[in-house]
Amino acid sequence: GEDVEQSLFLSVREGDSSVINCTYTDSSSTYLYWYKQEPGAGLQLLTYIFSNMDMKQDQRLTVLLNKKDKHLSLRIADTQTGDSAIYFCASTRRALTFGSGTRLQVQP
Amino acid sequence: DTGVSQDPRHKITKRGQNVTFRCDPISEHNRLYWYRQTLGQGPEFLTYFQNEAQLEKSRLLSDRFSAERPKGSFSTLEIQRTEQGDSAMYLCASSPQENYGYTFGSGTRLTVV
Repeated sequence: GEDVEQSLFLSVREGDSSVINCTYTDSSSTYLYWYKQEPGAGLQLLTYIFSNMDMKQDQRLTVLLNKKDKHLSLRIADTQTGDSAIYFCASTRRALTFGSGTRLQVQP
Repeated sequence: DTGVSQDPRHKITKRGQNVTFRCDPISEHNRLYWYRQTLGQGPEFLTYFQNEAQLEKSRLLSDRFSAERPKGSFSTLEIQRTEQGDSAMYLCASSPQENYGYTFGSGTRLTVV
């Protein structure tokens, strides 16, 4: 199977919370990352979590890591229309391995 | 900090031609990565350098592809005898060391006609 898997699409209403999920296979990943890509733009690093942590909070972003299940999630609180983008989860081997991305659509 | 620069932004070429892309990483970053991204997919790893040494190449990198980083600063990615399947966004990224988040450039979009 794929090294990193994500659901393809998520639609939420403005002001709601968004939760984007990711599973990965490489248990040796030291860090796990979330990147954001807006149309026609490069990838922007949003946040990351070290593998010995369960949770990391950074303003509106909360990352949860379940190392046993190799499951990573990104929660965006109070989602805004500007959060509409594709979100990529990435695990680390020698180089980052990305999932296919989750397209987040925020409806006003 | 000028970020990671890639040149050109867009390239249209005829099948069979050679193309070369350039990446200028953040100056103090030792590591430089090349990725390819096609529509609806995440970036796929191609190769990476630590300083001038090319440390890993993906099996996606056929013998038509070659990358260099001669002085450990900028890098070039050349594709020889381009094919339509090479059409993609080619992304460059840099990082100061292993396990640091990467800073990506805006990419070079290649269209092979």
